[in-house]
Amino acid sequence: GAGVSQTPSNKVTEKGKYVELRCDPISGHTALYWYRQSLGQGPEFLIYFQGTGAADDSGLPNDRFFAVRPEGSVSTLKIQRTERGDSAVYLCASSLNGGKGDTQYFGPGTRLTVL
Amino acid sequence: GQQVMQIPQYQHVQEGEDFTTYCNSSTTLSNIQWYKQRPGGHPVFLIQLVKSGEVKKQKRLTFQFGEAKKNSSLHITATQTTDVGTYFCPNQAGTALIFGKGTTLSVSS
Repeated sequence: GAGVSQTPSNKVTEKGKYVELRCDPISGHTALYWYRQSLGQGPEFLIYFQGTGAADDSGLPNDRFFAVRPEGSVSTLKIQRTERGDSAVYLCASSLNGGKGDTQYFGPGTRLTVL
Repeated sequence: GQQVMQIPQYQHVQEGEDFTTYCNSSTTLSNIQWYKQRPGGHPVFLIQLVKSGEVKKQKRLTFQFGEAKKNSSLHITATQTTDVGTYFCPNQAGTALIFGKGTTLSVSS
């Protein structure tokens, strides 16, 4: 079946603008994760959803970052007042149940560039 | 929280040579997962090890989990150019994966 999809694949924006990044998880997966990856680094955890609720948002760097998953499927990561340091690849992953040891399936990512 | 350290950070080999990357934890792990990320790609799950001393093979890849469940290794026999990428053994904090920099493997033909 289809894997995790993310749109857009690339997003270029100007400093101070607002952006939304979308993630479509694997159908039936209750757990959804957002990570971001800077060049030469491993993915950095941002937030984890179990169903519609954010079960762990400890990785969000500040209050400019917000994510929602209103129907327990698609999720949107929202970044306000973007800064150049926000430039990175934003990865979404989903897993069946969200339990420890559950396999996470990653999407292709959205490359965000803030000019 | 527990830290999983991975070495080496970079490794370059000639095609056909073997390659090994190691992950070491200061505390006992309940399980360990391995992911591979090709250049320009996204992390792809390779395997999970759960049992003490477990050894699993996937073609030319051999994964081991230490007896004390504090270390793990990935060994690739006779590397090919398709093995190029970064290999990660992320730590698990709750359900989130905590990635280090991994081991980046380059292969010249």
